[in-house]
Amino acid sequence: ETGVTQTPRHLVMGMTNKKSLKCEQHLGHNAMYWYKQSAKKPLELMFVYSLEERVENNSVPSRFSPECPNSSHLFLHLHTLQPEDSALYLCASSLFQGAGYEQYFGPGTRLTVT
Amino acid sequence: GNSVTQMEGPVTLSEEAFLTINCTYTATGYPSLFWYVQYPGEGLQLLLKATKADDKGSNKGFEATYRKETTSFHLEKGSVQVSDSAVYFCALSAGGTSYGKLTFGQGTILTVHP
Repeated sequence: ETGVTQTPRHLVMGMTNKKSLKCEQHLGHNAMYWYKQSAKKPLELMFVYSLEERVENNSVPSRFSPECPNSSHLFLHLHTLQPEDSALYLCASSLFQGAGYEQYFGPGTRLTVT
Repeated sequence: GNSVTQMEGPVTLSEEAFLTINCTYTATGYPSLFWYVQYPGEGLQLLLKATKADDKGSNKGFEATYRKETTSFHLEKGSVQVSDSAVYFCALSAGGTSYGKLTFGQGTILTVHP
């Protein structure tokens, strides 16, 4: 595998379910990100991890819980979601966190909350 | 705060036409500027970047010049192909307390007809 991979690619879950999204980067990067992409809205940054430490949380509801066990893996744990949480969730990584470091994106997980 | 404004889409062109997608930004300090492209069903791919004033980023026939005086980073291509049909995102990454967070424009849908 190369680049940034995400699993699953598609997920349908009920409002009472618990599920997790997984992201893995094979680039030797030290920073990882979760973004939410909704129709007709700009991409929203949700979480930033740098060297496995969370450095930013953009006022995301607690029903989204990130986990970064090492610099190659990032998870987004989901529970008690709402229909408005349906979106494409994108993971990204960069060599370091900082201006000028381009971010490399995975293909995303298309989440539908029923 | 930081913000990016892109021209309204969608943009529809014939093959071999000239493309311009306008992008202007507001940021404190000296941001790095990026263009990302998203093909249907995929994540975002970095198209090009520029990290200081008057830098020109280029890739796959696309170009954009960092214009500090007009706070712009317009994307251009001399002759588009059907395979260029995608959504294009302008983004900036600033230093300081934003820690290199990417701020995206709303995206411009490009459709190229044969």
